Amino acid sequence: DAGVTQSPTHLIKTRGQQVTLRCSPKSGHDTVSWYQQALGQGPQFIFQYYEEEERQRGNFPDRFSGHQFPNYSSELNVNALLLGDSALYLCASSRIAWTGGGWEAFFGQGTRLTVV
Amino acid sequence: ELKVEQNPLFLSMQEGKNYTIYCNYSTTSDRLYWYRQDPGKSLESLFVLLSNGAVKQEGRLMASLDTKARLSTLHITAAVHDLSATYFCAVDMNNDMRFGAGTRLTVKP
Repeated sequence: DAGVTQSPTHLIKTRGQQVTLRCSPKSGHDTVSWYQQALGQGPQFIFQYYEEEERQRGNFPDRFSGHQFPNYSSELNVNALLLGDSALYLCASSRIAWTGGGWEAFFGQGTRLTVV
Repeated sequence: ELKVEQNPLFLSMQEGKNYTIYCNYSTTSDRLYWYRQDPGKSLESLFVLLSNGAVKQEGRLMASLDTKARLSTLHITAAVHDLSATYFCAVDMNNDMRFGAGTRLTVKP
């Protein structure tokens, strides 16, 4: 099992450009969440996708959008990049547990985005 | 809004010593997670705590959850250098996780 894979691992973009980050979930997982981790801080929740729909969203502007495909993989798109968007973007996959027993998220290695 | 606070944020300890990291949160939740992150790396799941009074141990680390006090602890026993990393707690908020700021642990010989 390859676990959660993200691509690319590193990316440099210019202010105002657009970027797309990709995530393939762990085998058997159907839910993908995206997080932004600025240097020296904890991850901040961006949004979560399940059944190709956005289920939850954190406090991020509409410049951040996403998509989930039928194979459960996901993309994170960021438009009109700002210097402050520079961060490590983490994807986490999990399996929805309807029993209320909680779920465990597995994280990918992240994409380091630098906006210059 | 859910707030998750960890303390201390920085911890330097000697090998062989014991210490506890605290994680307080502001809203009712009975699901709490601990993760480890090495520099430049992703997050590694350590513990999943799903009920009041839950206690889990793995090696030199032990985590507990008190949902009434809205408090989780991560206890380190007889620290070794390999435990040097940043430790995050995260609280489940309607199937998404809200993270604390992290505790950067350095274990010195």
